[in-house]
Amino acid sequence: NAGVTQTPKFQVLKTGQSMTLQCAQDMNHEYMSWYRQDPGMGLRLIHYSVGAGITDQGEVPNGYNVSRSTTEDFPLRLLSAAPSQTSVYFCASSYDTGLAKNIQYFGAGTRLSVL
Amino acid sequence: DQQVKQNSPSLSVQEGRISILNCDYTNSMFDYFLWYKKYPAEGPTFLISISSIKDKNEDGRFTVFLNKSAKHLSLHIVPSQPGDSAVYFCAASARKGSNYKLTFGKGTLLTVNP
Repeated sequence: NAGVTQTPKFQVLKTGQSMTLQCAQDMNHEYMSWYRQDPGMGLRLIHYSVGAGITDQGEVPNGYNVSRSTTEDFPLRLLSAAPSQTSVYFCASSYDTGLAKNIQYFGAGTRLSVL
Repeated sequence: DQQVKQNSPSLSVQEGRISILNCDYTNSMFDYFLWYKKYPAEGPTFLISISSIKDKNEDGRFTVFLNKSAKHLSLHIVPSQPGDSAVYFCAASARKGSNYKLTFGKGTLLTVNP
């Protein structure tokens, strides 16, 4: 019963470094998304995908890239990390975003610090 | 412009009493409202939801009330238990193109004291 798996759980980067946050789901969900959670800011949508090969920007996409080559995986790339990207990142998936009751299933999160 | 607002950052209640978490919204196009619960070092998990055409939905100790005219919803937990201590996020679903997207509030930290 893996659900949504995120790796790594923790990461420390120096400004300017690049890295990829991994996200995989085993529920055959078409929709996947990335959120960041900052103190006092709630969950903000970074990028999302409605299926393999289809991605779109969310509320705060700057500084992040995504791709969706398979249904299962949705990696988030930071090309040149900045201190403003210090945050907790959550990946989520859902079965069908054509339904108003859009229940999303979240991973455990990746805590990222950029020094 | 924050479309989903949780104006209370925190709430503290005694075990066995009622917890009431509030959420206000501004977009009248929201079709569904969901509550998520989040423990430290874990991802949010879905708790309960309500359609915009309903005014109440109950699931065990959890009840969500919707007042469309006031653009207000609330989550009631009765009786509250120490294991309910968590951050609660209110989220609203609205159609964008052919999909529905969620907008989250900032969350309310509930502490249930034994």
